[in-house]
Amino acid sequence: EAQLVESGGGSVQSGGSLSLSCAASGLNFGAYPMTWVRQAPGKGLQWVSTVTATGATNWYADSLRGRVIISRDNSKRTVSLHMTSLRAENTATYYCGKGPVGGGLLQDIMRVDIWGKGTTVIVSS
Amino acid sequence: QSVLTQPPSVSGAPGQRVTISCTGSSSNIGANYDVHWYQQFPGEVPRLLIYRDASRPSGVPDRFSGSRSGTAASLAITGLQAEDEADYYCQSYDSVLNAVLFGGGTKVTVL
Repeated sequence: EAQLVESGGGSVQSGGSLSLSCAASGLNFGAYPMTWVRQAPGKGLQWVSTVTATGATNWYADSLRGRVIISRDNSKRTVSLHMTSLRAENTATYYCGKGPVGGGLLQDIMRVDIWGKGTTVIVSS
Repeated sequence: QSVLTQPPSVSGAPGQRVTISCTGSSSNIGANYDVHWYQQFPGEVPRLLIYRDASRPSGVPDRFSGSRSGTAASLAITGLQAEDEADYYCQSYDSVLNAVLFGGGTKVTVL
């Protein structure tokens, strides 16, 4: 059974940095694009970033561009999200998700077929 | 405020049909980009409910259906059941923003 497990969440001071990781099992990881989605407490889903299966292309939400970097290591079956200059509004549960096999266009690979359980980031001012 | 607009809540009695709208614009739904729908129970992880406008992943009951017209998409739940109480989100892509969008979410209540 395919499974995604996030780690790396925690409490951090405003202005600090944090790296999240997502480990995959039970799937051919290198064949799929991966996406990070976050959800602030009591709020809706917000797309954060997507990376293609090869890692060659990535996209970021405007509100986070320049402060986050998505990367993947297909040999280790992991995708990571490195976040810097964190602010209180970045407090959320961060989910990683697997996308569909597809091409290199964001519109074709954006959906999340399988979700991890999430990791919680709390940014205090 | 989300670029994709959903009603905050809808409700219905058991057995009824309810629909959730997801209204976008000419640069997202109106440009014929795929719309996907997710279901999320309180305190739980979202799950894919409908993909590519109207397709259901295996395991999703056929009580759930998706459609689209113009700049809007809809999720319909027929034969509403108590277990359908959850939050529902639409998702699409916007070519002007070059970004993935989620609707604000709709809470379904079974009366």
